[in-house]
Amino acid sequence: RKEVEQDPGPFNVPEGATVAFNCTYSNSASQSFFWYRQDCRKEPKLLMSVYSSGNEDGRFTAQLNRASQYISLLIRDSKLSDSATYLCVGGMNTGFQKLVFGTGTRLLVSP
Amino acid sequence: DTGVSQDPRHKITKRGQNVTFRCDPISEHNRLYWYRQTLGQGPEFLTYFQNEAQLEKSRLLSDRFSAERPKGSFSTLEIQRTEQGDSAMYLCASSLAGTSGSYEQYFGPGTRLTVT
Repeated sequence: RKEVEQDPGPFNVPEGATVAFNCTYSNSASQSFFWYRQDCRKEPKLLMSVYSSGNEDGRFTAQLNRASQYISLLIRDSKLSDSATYLCVGGMNTGFQKLVFGTGTRLLVSP
Repeated sequence: DTGVSQDPRHKITKRGQNVTFRCDPISEHNRLYWYRQTLGQGPEFLTYFQNEAQLEKSRLLSDRFSAERPKGSFSTLEIQRTEQGDSAMYLCASSLAGTSGSYEQYFGPGTRLTVT
């Protein structure tokens, strides 16, 4: 079983739609969580950190549920430019922060 | 450009050859990481430096792999006697370590290695 699991998709949505991704993590020692965005053949780019209280950045909202060990990302009013792969990431602070990435969820936003 | 840079961006080599990649982290970042990403997978951790000290290595990093960060600034990753299974994107990331807990890692553009 992978340490961070995501539905690989693809999620096909029309512009303006709301889409939600979930991911689960198996290591209860994970302390930090992130969503990264990765465009085809490019590097991952940090989208947002995820806090227990939930956090929002414009059209993006992230939630963490430690009891159920899952993380979610909600994208409202999808844009064509949101088309990318979204990587769910757990991190353990064991003297340094070792990141464990999921395989990513692919999002395709169509006109 | 003040981001993480990597060189070369692409490398094609024949099986059995040695290759070396370079990473220049964000200048004020003291932590540097190497990851490997294959098609359809997320990046996998390879190794970590704090300043010039290599403090953690993954089991993925076989004896053919070596990484250095001699002056605590740029880092190199060398692969000796390359194999076709080494074909992947090699990503470098850097971060700060501070009491504020700012552990967010920022990635460079990667070096895409193809072993023929």
